[in-house]
Amino acid sequence: QVQLVQSGAEVKKPGASVKVSCKASGYTFTGYYMHWVRQAPGQGPEWMGRINPNSGGTKYAQQFQGRVTMTRDTSITTGYMELSRLTSDDTAVYYCARLSHGGLILQPAWGQGTLVTVSS
Amino acid sequence: EIAMTQSPLSLPVTPGEPASISCRSSQSLQHNNGYNYLDWYLQKPGQSPQLLIYLGSNRASGVPDRFSGSESGTDFTLKISRVEAEDVGVYYCMQTLQTPHTFGGGTQVEIK
Repeated sequence: QVQLVQSGAEVKKPGASVKVSCKASGYTFTGYYMHWVRQAPGQGPEWMGRINPNSGGTKYAQQFQGRVTMTRDTSITTGYMELSRLTSDDTAVYYCARLSHGGLILQPAWGQGTLVTVSS
Repeated sequence: EIAMTQSPLSLPVTPGEPASISCRSSQSLQHNNGYNYLDWYLQKPGQSPQLLIYLGSNRASGVPDRFSGSESGTDFTLKISRVEAEDVGVYYCMQTLQTPHTFGGGTQVEIK
Protein backbone atom coordinates (compact mmCIF):
# COMPACT_ATOMS: atom_id res chain seq x y z
CA GLN A 1 0.00 0.00 0.00
CA VAL A 2 1.08 3.59 -0.54
CA GLN A 3 2.98 4.99 2.44
CA LEU A 4 4.55 8.38 3.01
CA VAL A 5 6.65 8.58 6.16
CA GLN A 6 7.98 11.95 7.22
CA SER A 7 10.85 13.04 9.43
CA GLY A 8 10.33 14.12 13.01
CA ALA A 9 9.41 17.40 14.62
CA GLU A 10 11.79 20.35 14.39
CA VAL A 11 12.36 23.47 16.47
CA LYS A 12 14.11 26.32 14.69
CA LYS A 13 15.08 29.89 15.47
CA PRO A 14 13.85 32.78 13.35
CA GLY A 15 16.00 33.26 10.28
CA ALA A 16 17.06 29.62 10.14
CA SER A 17 16.11 26.98 7.57
CA VAL A 18 14.36 23.66 7.97
CA LYS A 19 14.45 20.57 5.77
CA VAL A 20 11.68 17.98 6.03
CA SER A 21 11.94 14.56 4.40
CA CYS A 22 9.25 12.23 3.09
CA LYS A 23 10.03 8.57 2.41
CA ALA A 24 7.71 7.01 -0.17
CA SER A 25 6.90 3.33 -0.57
CA GLY A 26 4.28 1.11 -2.14
CA TYR A 27 4.33 2.75 -5.56
CA THR A 28 6.68 3.84 -8.33
CA PHE A 29 8.28 6.93 -6.80
CA THR A 30 9.19 8.53 -10.13
CA GLY A 31 5.71 8.07 -11.54
CA TYR A 32 3.85 10.63 -9.45
CA TYR A 33 4.43 14.19 -8.30
CA MET A 34 5.09 14.74 -4.61
CA HIS A 35 3.18 17.68 -3.18
CA TRP A 36 3.75 19.63 0.02
CA VAL A 37 0.97 21.16 2.10
CA ARG A 38 1.20 23.01 5.38
CA GLN A 39 -1.27 23.88 8.10
CA ALA A 40 -0.62 26.58 10.66
CA PRO A 41 -2.28 26.31 14.08
CA GLY A 42 -5.98 27.08 13.84
CA GLN A 43 -5.77 27.62 10.08
CA GLY A 44 -6.81 25.64 7.03
CA PRO A 45 -4.36 23.68 4.89
CA GLU A 46 -2.28 25.53 2.29
CA TRP A 47 -0.65 24.02 -0.79
CA MET A 48 3.04 24.92 -1.04
CA GLY A 49 4.13 23.27 -4.26
CA ARG A 50 5.14 20.03 -5.91
CA ILE A 51 8.08 18.24 -7.42
CA ASN A 52 8.23 15.81 -10.31
CA PRO A 53 10.48 13.07 -8.90
CA ASN A 54 11.29 11.86 -12.39
CA SER A 55 12.68 15.11 -13.79
CA GLY A 56 13.22 17.11 -10.61
CA GLY A 57 11.03 19.87 -12.03
CA THR A 58 9.22 21.98 -9.46
CA LYS A 59 6.29 24.33 -9.19
CA TYR A 60 5.86 26.50 -6.12
CA ALA A 61 2.97 28.54 -4.80
CA GLN A 62 3.67 32.21 -5.32
CA GLN A 63 3.81 33.04 -1.61
CA PHE A 64 6.71 30.62 -1.12
CA GLN A 65 8.73 31.49 -4.22
CA GLY A 66 12.32 32.27 -3.31
CA ARG A 67 12.07 30.63 0.11
CA VAL A 68 11.14 27.03 -0.62
CA THR A 69 13.17 24.34 -2.36
CA MET A 70 11.81 20.90 -3.13
CA THR A 71 14.22 18.15 -4.06
CA ARG A 72 14.30 14.38 -4.24
CA ASP A 73 16.65 11.43 -4.07
CA THR A 74 15.31 8.70 -6.32
CA SER A 75 17.81 6.14 -5.01
CA ILE A 76 16.05 6.15 -1.65
CA THR A 77 12.57 7.21 -2.89
CA THR A 78 12.60 10.26 -0.66
CA GLY A 79 11.43 13.81 -1.25
CA TYR A 80 12.56 16.89 0.64
CA MET A 81 11.10 20.31 1.35
CA GLU A 82 13.42 23.03 2.59
CA LEU A 83 12.07 26.36 3.79
CA SER A 84 14.47 29.19 4.53
CA ARG A 85 14.37 32.53 6.40
CA LEU A 86 11.88 31.14 8.88
CA THR A 87 9.61 33.38 10.91
CA SER A 88 7.05 32.58 13.59
CA ASP A 89 4.42 32.55 10.83
CA ASP A 90 6.05 29.41 9.48
CA THR A 91 5.14 27.45 12.62
CA ALA A 92 2.94 24.75 11.16
CA VAL A 93 2.51 21.07 10.43
CA TYR A 94 4.03 20.23 7.05
CA TYR A 95 2.67 17.33 5.00
CA CYS A 96 3.87 15.56 1.90
CA ALA A 97 1.18 14.05 -0.30
CA ARG A 98 0.53 12.15 -3.48
CA LEU A 99 -2.53 13.77 -5.05
CA SER A 100 -4.79 13.04 -8.00
CA HIS A 101 -4.21 15.81 -10.54
CA GLY A 102 -3.60 16.53 -14.19
CA GLY A 103 -5.62 13.59 -15.46
CA LEU A 104 -4.30 11.07 -12.95
CA ILE A 105 -6.93 8.83 -11.45
CA LEU A 106 -5.75 7.67 -8.06
CA GLN A 107 -6.61 7.76 -4.39
CA PRO A 108 -4.63 10.52 -2.67
CA ALA A 109 -2.27 9.68 0.19
CA TRP A 110 -0.70 11.92 2.80
CA GLY A 111 2.23 11.64 5.16
CA GLN A 112 1.68 11.81 8.90
CA GLY A 113 2.88 15.41 9.10
CA THR A 114 5.93 17.11 10.59
CA LEU A 115 5.53 19.85 13.17
CA VAL A 116 7.92 22.72 12.64
CA THR A 117 8.08 25.24 15.46
CA VAL A 118 9.84 28.56 14.92
CA SER A 119 10.70 30.22 18.20
CA SER A 120 13.49 32.32 19.62
CA GLU B 1 -6.39 30.74 -8.97
CA ILE B 2 -9.51 28.66 -8.35
CA ALA B 3 -11.41 29.83 -5.29
CA MET B 4 -13.25 27.27 -3.17
CA THR B 5 -16.21 28.40 -1.05
CA GLN B 6 -17.61 26.13 1.63
CA SER B 7 -20.85 26.43 3.54
CA PRO B 8 -21.94 26.45 6.23
CA LEU B 9 -19.09 27.62 8.42
CA SER B 10 -20.48 25.67 11.37
CA LEU B 11 -22.90 22.76 11.39
CA PRO B 12 -24.49 21.47 14.61
CA VAL B 13 -25.75 17.94 14.02
CA THR B 14 -27.85 15.38 15.85
CA PRO B 15 -26.53 11.80 15.95
CA GLY B 16 -28.52 9.59 13.63
CA GLU B 17 -29.66 12.49 11.49
CA PRO B 18 -28.34 13.33 8.00
CA ALA B 19 -26.01 16.23 7.30
CA SER B 20 -24.59 17.90 4.21
CA ILE B 21 -21.79 20.32 3.44
CA SER B 22 -21.47 22.36 0.27
CA CYS B 23 -18.41 23.42 -1.67
CA ARG B 24 -18.50 25.68 -4.70
CA SER B 25 -15.60 26.27 -7.07
CA SER B 26 -15.05 29.52 -9.00
CA GLN B 27 -14.55 27.52 -12.22
CA SER B 28 -15.10 24.03 -13.51
CA LEU B 29 -13.03 21.29 -11.90
CA GLN B 30 -13.73 18.80 -14.67
CA HIS B 31 -10.79 17.36 -16.54
CA ASN B 32 -10.97 16.13 -20.12
CA ASN B 33 -11.21 12.62 -18.72
CA GLY B 34 -14.62 13.48 -17.24
CA TYR B 35 -13.57 13.42 -13.59
CA ASN B 36 -13.97 16.36 -11.24
CA TYR B 37 -10.75 16.98 -9.35
CA LEU B 38 -12.34 17.64 -5.98
CA ASP B 39 -11.50 15.84 -2.74
CA TRP B 40 -13.08 15.92 0.72
CA TYR B 41 -11.16 15.64 3.97
CA LEU B 42 -12.09 15.39 7.62
CA GLN B 43 -9.73 16.71 10.24
CA LYS B 44 -10.59 15.38 13.65
CA PRO B 45 -9.38 17.34 16.67
CA GLY B 46 -5.62 17.00 17.07
CA GLN B 47 -5.25 14.79 14.00
CA SER B 48 -4.07 15.08 10.39
CA PRO B 49 -6.61 15.48 7.61
CA GLN B 50 -8.04 12.12 6.52
CA LEU B 51 -9.32 11.53 3.03
CA LEU B 52 -13.04 10.79 2.72
CA ILE B 53 -13.92 11.30 -0.95
CA TYR B 54 -11.70 11.77 -4.01
CA LEU B 55 -12.42 12.76 -7.59
CA GLY B 56 -15.79 14.15 -6.60
CA SER B 57 -17.63 11.00 -5.63
CA ASN B 58 -15.22 8.14 -4.95
CA ARG B 59 -15.19 6.95 -1.36
CA ALA B 60 -11.69 6.35 -0.04
CA SER B 61 -10.64 2.96 1.26
CA GLY B 62 -11.98 2.24 4.73
CA VAL B 63 -14.39 5.17 4.77
CA PRO B 64 -17.86 4.22 6.03
CA ASP B 65 -20.57 4.16 3.38
CA ARG B 66 -22.58 6.78 5.26
CA PHE B 67 -20.27 9.30 3.56
CA SER B 68 -20.97 10.19 -0.06
CA GLY B 69 -19.99 12.91 -2.50
CA SER B 70 -22.08 14.39 -5.29
CA GLU B 71 -21.33 16.83 -8.09
CA SER B 72 -23.33 19.28 -10.17
CA GLY B 73 -21.31 21.64 -12.32
CA THR B 74 -19.23 23.74 -9.94
CA ASP B 75 -21.27 22.69 -6.90
CA PHE B 76 -20.14 19.78 -4.77
CA THR B 77 -21.83 18.24 -1.76
CA LEU B 78 -20.60 15.92 0.97
CA LYS B 79 -23.42 14.00 2.60
CA ILE B 80 -23.46 12.01 5.80
CA SER B 81 -26.52 9.76 5.82
CA ARG B 82 -26.57 9.26 9.59
CA VAL B 83 -24.16 11.28 11.67
CA GLU B 84 -22.19 9.53 14.38
CA ALA B 85 -20.39 11.14 17.30
CA GLU B 86 -17.00 10.24 15.75
CA ASP B 87 -17.77 12.42 12.70
CA VAL B 88 -17.07 15.67 14.56
CA GLY B 89 -14.26 17.82 13.23
CA VAL B 90 -13.50 20.21 10.41
CA TYR B 91 -14.35 19.20 6.86
CA TYR B 92 -12.39 20.63 3.94
CA CYS B 93 -12.84 20.42 0.20
CA MET B 94 -9.76 20.70 -2.03
CA GLN B 95 -9.36 21.12 -5.79
CA THR B 96 -6.45 19.49 -7.58
CA LEU B 97 -7.33 20.37 -11.18
CA GLN B 98 -5.05 23.38 -11.38
CA THR B 99 -2.11 24.71 -9.45
CA PRO B 100 -2.09 26.29 -7.01
CA HIS B 101 -4.28 23.62 -5.50
CA THR B 102 -6.72 25.32 -3.17
CA PHE B 103 -8.88 24.45 -0.18
CA GLY B 104 -12.26 25.55 1.03
CA GLY B 105 -12.35 27.46 4.29
CA GLY B 106 -13.62 24.50 6.26
CA THR B 107 -16.88 23.48 7.95
CA GLN B 108 -16.87 22.76 11.67
CA VAL B 109 -19.21 19.88 12.47
CA GLU B 110 -20.23 19.52 16.10
CA ILE B 111 -22.78 17.48 17.98
CA LYS B 112 -25.81 19.39 19.25
